Amino acid sequence: GQSLEQPSEVTAVEGAIVQINCTYQTSGFYGLSWYQQHDGGAPTFLSYNALDGLEETGRFSSFLSRSDSYGYLLLQELQMKDSASYFCAVRRSNDYKLSFGAGTTVTVRA
Amino acid sequence: EAQVTQNPRYLITVTGKKLTVTCSQNMNHEYMSWYRQDPGLGLRQIYYSMNVEVTDKGDVPEGYKVSRKEKRNFPLILESPSPNQTSLYFCASRFGGGSGANVLTFGAGSRLTVL
Repeated sequence: GQSLEQPSEVTAVEGAIVQINCTYQTSGFYGLSWYQQHDGGAPTFLSYNALDGLEETGRFSSFLSRSDSYGYLLLQELQMKDSASYFCAVRRSNDYKLSFGAGTTVTVRA
Repeated sequence: EAQVTQNPRYLITVTGKKLTVTCSQNMNHEYMSWYRQDPGLGLRQIYYSMNVEVTDKGDVPEGYKVSRKEKRNFPLILESPSPNQTSLYFCASRFGGGSGANVLTFGAGSRLTVL
């Protein structure tokens, strides 16, 4: 089986930094992904970590520690348009299945 | 434009009336999958397909069927819908291997209500 834990909600002000943690328990691990979903919209891919360390893509960064079964998504210089739900997802094994966490709703206030 | 197209986007039906949600992708992706999304539960995988004629159950397959007769199409069939299948459904696709295997492209979603 597998499980992914992430906080349900985070609120922050414009310009702030938000870190969304994701811990996972899974049989077989081939990488951790992050997806963004605006209300009523389709999830869109943000980043992927297969190896330990930090991946940076503009204002967003993602980190992975395989030994700790832990990763996080870092949102910097928050903007109102970053208000959305963010999902971590684990690629569980070599059959390419992805399992998603329940999602973290980020609300950005002016 | 590279995309995953699902239809219908919205559907209200009644218990027991068979329905099909279509999904088509134009990216030549090997892998396709269906997810349902319910409040507080995230995205749960219903079925997936590694390639034509190859399908397998996800985490919540009960009450659903799928088929993969062509690479581009992966319809979701509800033979006898029940109210607990009221949900938002997403079809997604990606490449079967390489770095592209880590990037799912989702359709716009199909909101289904079963009365």
